[in-house]
Amino acid sequence: QVQLVESGGSVVQPGKSLRLSCAASRFTFSRYAMHWVRRAPGKGLEWVAVISYDGKKKYYADSVKGRFTISRDNSNNTLYLQMDSLRPDDTSVYSCARDEGDGTYSFYGMDVWGQGTTVTVSS
Amino acid sequence: QSVLTQPPSASGTPGQKITISCSGSRSNIETNIVNWYQLLPGTAPKLVVYSNNQRPSGVPERFSGSKSGTSASLAINGLQSEDEGEYYCAGWDGRPHGPGVWVFGGGTKLTVL
Repeated sequence: QVQLVESGGSVVQPGKSLRLSCAASRFTFSRYAMHWVRRAPGKGLEWVAVISYDGKKKYYADSVKGRFTISRDNSNNTLYLQMDSLRPDDTSVYSCARDEGDGTYSFYGMDVWGQGTTVTVSS
Repeated sequence: QSVLTQPPSASGTPGQKITISCSGSRSNIETNIVNWYQLLPGTAPKLVVYSNNQRPSGVPERFSGSKSGTSASLAINGLQSEDEGEYYCAGWDGRPHGPGVWVFGGGTKLTVL
């Protein structure tokens, strides 16, 4: 069964950085675009970023653009989210999710999700 | 404020049919596909409808999706208690004045009475 496992979440002070990882298994990771999605306490789902299968196309939500960077290592089946200049409103559970396509021409949405890792930004 | 607008809540009794709406615009729903996700307490989101009206394998036939113009809908026919949870519409927004983004609706909390 396709599996996505996030790690790297922790408590961090405002202004600091954190890198999240998402380990993929049981599917050909290099063929799929990948997303990061978050959910703040008491709030709904918020899309964060997406990266195409080859890493050449990246798109970001306005709320994180310029602060977060999505990347991937296809040789190690791992997706990353580098989060800089963290703010208290970045506090959320962050989940990685596989797109149904490779992102060459379009993104089709998430078909498999991980359970998430918790990031808390607080002084 | 979400780009896609959903009612915050919906309810129904077992066996009933309910419909959840999702309202958007030309740059998202009208010109791109819509997916629907189910969130049950303590579990990862589950895709229940993709490409406007397609059902993934394993999703019960009572779930169906439709789209017309700038609006989309998720229908659950023959509501069951295990359907209680949150439902989100989502899709690509090809914004005319910037790079595209993926967007979610605000979510609808479904209660089975």
